[in-house]
Amino acid sequence: IAGITQAPTSQILAAGRRMTLRCTQDMRHNAMYWYRQDLGLGLRLIHYSNTAGTTGKGEVPDGYSVSRANTDDFPLTLASAVPSQTSVYFCASSEQAYTEAFFGQGTRLTVV
Amino acid sequence: GENVEQHPSTLSVQEGDSAVIKCTYSDSASNYFPWYKQELGKGPQLIIDIRSNVGEKKDQRIAVTLNKTAKHFSLHITETQPEDSAVYFCAASESNNDMRFGAGTRLTVKP
Repeated sequence: IAGITQAPTSQILAAGRRMTLRCTQDMRHNAMYWYRQDLGLGLRLIHYSNTAGTTGKGEVPDGYSVSRANTDDFPLTLASAVPSQTSVYFCASSEQAYTEAFFGQGTRLTVV
Repeated sequence: GENVEQHPSTLSVQEGDSAVIKCTYSDSASNYFPWYKQELGKGPQLIIDIRSNVGEKKDQRIAVTLNKTAKHFSLHITETQPEDSAVYFCAASESNNDMRFGAGTRLTVKP
């Protein structure tokens, strides 16, 4: 079934370690996004990419970086994880910005 | 930037009753208002959306209304069923690049 695949599904990470969350979509969508979901705060946009080769900062970008080398992949990297980055991370894509966004199943990350 | 408030945070209704979730937003430039349903352990899924050039949109048992003057919009679910139980999120934006979500409403439909 076409859609968005995130990996890993969950991870426990020691503080200070580097971690890359993977996201792949097979819908040939131009736009991709990373959100974090924390209880009581809804979803907050970390970074986005409107098309391959371009990225932009969302509402909470500090401590995270992204790249968009091709249409399908949009990895999110935590260079040096901190406990406040414990969250559930969702990748999403849409055909264009301003159209329906499709979400992956999420990655539950715990930084200890 | 945009700020979206959502109420109530929890809502419990009897099967067959209606459920209403309300959201307000702060940025008058926002013109796209989607609603997402999130089931346990899954990612959010779009159930309905509305753009600022219409005041109401309906899809079977689900409807959304928008009042741009008052900067609020609401989700209405009629004839609720147990499978409607989930967390619902509203959002507001000019584009997906600046979409701001409400904190969510946990809806429980009791059989």
